[in-house]
Amino acid sequence: AQSVAQPEDQVNVAEGNPLTVKCTYSVSGNPYLFWYVQYPNRGLQFLLKYITGDNLVKGSYGFEAEFNKSQTSFHLKKPSALVSDSALYFCAVRDMGIQTDKLIFGTGTRLQVFP
Amino acid sequence: EAGVAQSPRYKIIEKRQSVAFWCNPISGHATLYWYQQILGQGPKLLIQFQNNGVVDDSQLPKDRFSAERLKGVDSTLKIQPAKLEDSAVYLCASSLAPTAEETQYFGPGTRLLVL
Repeated sequence: AQSVAQPEDQVNVAEGNPLTVKCTYSVSGNPYLFWYVQYPNRGLQFLLKYITGDNLVKGSYGFEAEFNKSQTSFHLKKPSALVSDSALYFCAVRDMGIQTDKLIFGTGTRLQVFP
Repeated sequence: EAGVAQSPRYKIIEKRQSVAFWCNPISGHATLYWYQQILGQGPKLLIQFQNNGVVDDSQLPKDRFSAERLKGVDSTLKIQPAKLEDSAVYLCASSLAPTAEETQYFGPGTRLLVL
């Protein structure tokens, strides 16, 4: 079965510093990986995805993610954090089959960026 | 381009009452999903539609939950009767097609509190 794990419930970082939000995956077949962000009382906003190709994926708001097959990881990164990046981040893997097409989400990581 | 629309945004009901949520997907998106997000967890798929047909409802508690997408556009999700454990955010998402490359875009969600 497809699954993702987000080992950190919360990540704290100072504004201007680089940030990393970790995600590891377990899949049978090709991994289709996604990152979403959720602000308070808002739905999920799509940040980026890895389907195939370059291991470094660039997304919205200056975020990028690195796909590492040997370590089965897909960590989200940003070179310089902003206070406005504070939110809940979800990693997800696509589970596709004959009778299903759904996203399997991790438990989320709360990012807190301090001024 | 307008995003996924959902209403109401908030709903408070007592247990054993019924409630309905509405979703309007992005124009042209054939695939529509309903996810349930319980506090502190990632979203979990309840049901997936392809046009007006159900693709996957294996995780839908069919004794109390029902959903329809009659004309292949808007969808409604109903709970009758509601239980305390149904308190959650109900997220609607849509995608152009059920393929690995297509992104699922989420609406703002309906926050349900069952007392």
